[in-house]
Amino acid sequence: QLQLQESGPGQVKPAETLSLTCSVSGYSINSGYYWGWIRQPPGKGLEWIGSIHHSGNIYYNPSLKSRVTILIDTSRNQVSLKLDSVTAADTAVYHCARVRTVAGSKVGNWFDSWGQGTLITVSS
Amino acid sequence: SYELTQPPSVSVSPGQTARITCSADALPNQYGYWYQQKPGQAPVLVMYKDSERPSGIPERFSGSSSGTTVTLTISGVQAEDEADYYCQSGNSSATFVIFGGGTKLTVL
Repeated sequence: QLQLQESGPGQVKPAETLSLTCSVSGYSINSGYYWGWIRQPPGKGLEWIGSIHHSGNIYYNPSLKSRVTILIDTSRNQVSLKLDSVTAADTAVYHCARVRTVAGSKVGNWFDSWGQGTLITVSS
Repeated sequence: SYELTQPPSVSVSPGQTARITCSADALPNQYGYWYQQKPGQAPVLVMYKDSERPSGIPERFSGSSSGTTVTLTISGVQAEDEADYYCQSGNSSATFVIFGGGTKLTVL
């Protein structure tokens, strides 16, 4: 059964770089699918950060693209997220998720399995 | 800019039907998706490709699409359905994902 588990430092200082890891079990990320990161500030809605495929294809939210790097480590079956120059506005629960895609007369991506998420607080 | 618009809140009594709408100009060319999120939990996919229900999601959940609006319908609402519901879609090349602002469903 597919399971995703996020891990991170819990707290990051302003202007520093946030680094998170998503460990995937029950499925080899080398076998396909995109893998995504989504965040949710406390009491607010969901925001897509970006998605990556083991082939190297990556898509980022334009609003975060200048600060975000998403990497995939197939040997460890992990996906990582780095967010530079964080501010208090980056305080959120960060989720990783598997991305499903469809192509045809309509196209689309959706997230069918989510990790529980990890809370990252940006504070000095 | 591309936005998905949901009502902030919907309230229904147990056993009634709840309808949550999501609208955007791009929706006719894109599928809509729905997630349920209960407090302190990760979102759960309850509808994909406008009207397809994942395995394990009760049959009282259904979805539809008409013009610029997708709708999540919960028939015979139960107390356990009280949650936040988010719609989601994307751009025409599937390289961008956007979520609606969320709708809080209250079961009276």
